[in-house]
Amino acid sequence: GENVEQHPSTLSVQEGDSAVIKCTYSDSASNYFPWYKQELGKRPQLIIDIRSNVGEKKDQRIAVTLNKTAKHFSLHITETQPEDSAVYFCAASLGSLGGSQGNLIFGKGTKLSVKP
Amino acid sequence: DAGVIQSPRHEVTEMGQEVTLRCKPISGHNSLFWYRQTMMRGLELLIYFNNNVPIDDSGMPEDRFSAKMPNASFSTLKIQPSEPRDSAVYFCASSFTTSGGNEQFFGPGTRLTVL
Repeated sequence: GENVEQHPSTLSVQEGDSAVIKCTYSDSASNYFPWYKQELGKRPQLIIDIRSNVGEKKDQRIAVTLNKTAKHFSLHITETQPEDSAVYFCAASLGSLGGSQGNLIFGKGTKLSVKP
Repeated sequence: DAGVIQSPRHEVTEMGQEVTLRCKPISGHNSLFWYRQTMMRGLELLIYFNNNVPIDDSGMPEDRFSAKMPNASFSTLKIQPSEPRDSAVYFCASSFTTSGGNEQFFGPGTRLTVL
């Protein structure tokens, strides 16, 4: 089955710096890669996602890149702000292919701290 | 839409008691997922349903856990008997699953404490 590895587990940056979180996946058939942000005491919420037919996607200060050959994808946050402090989860999904019904396989999470 | 609704939001119970967690998915979604989150184990998928049918329950820890989805708008996760190690935040999520994969929308979670 699919396995998602996420690094680093913790990341501390200075406000205004960039942050990069990396994930690798094992199943080459995975075709959907979302990123979730979870603030303390809150639910995970989608911040950006990318599909396997796209190499890069950007939304304001957030971007995600996907390398299908190497089976890894990354989250890039530029000009970080204190409110970016949270736990970020990457995930991979087969959609409804291969008998799957859209379940996401999550990484273990990265705790990002942005220091003012 | 009100989003995914879970109840109760907090539950404190004693070891050995039965616990029932409830979830109402977003209307029109065809997949429902139950997760457990702890500091030690992170976010674990327990079971998921597609069109009310359980697809994969391999994440259910043991026979003390059971889940049902009697209709498209309601699901329960039951723990009996509960144990202190079941203490965690339990999330329900729903999505409209297509071949391309789709966003899962999470409910607010139920924080379970078993004493």
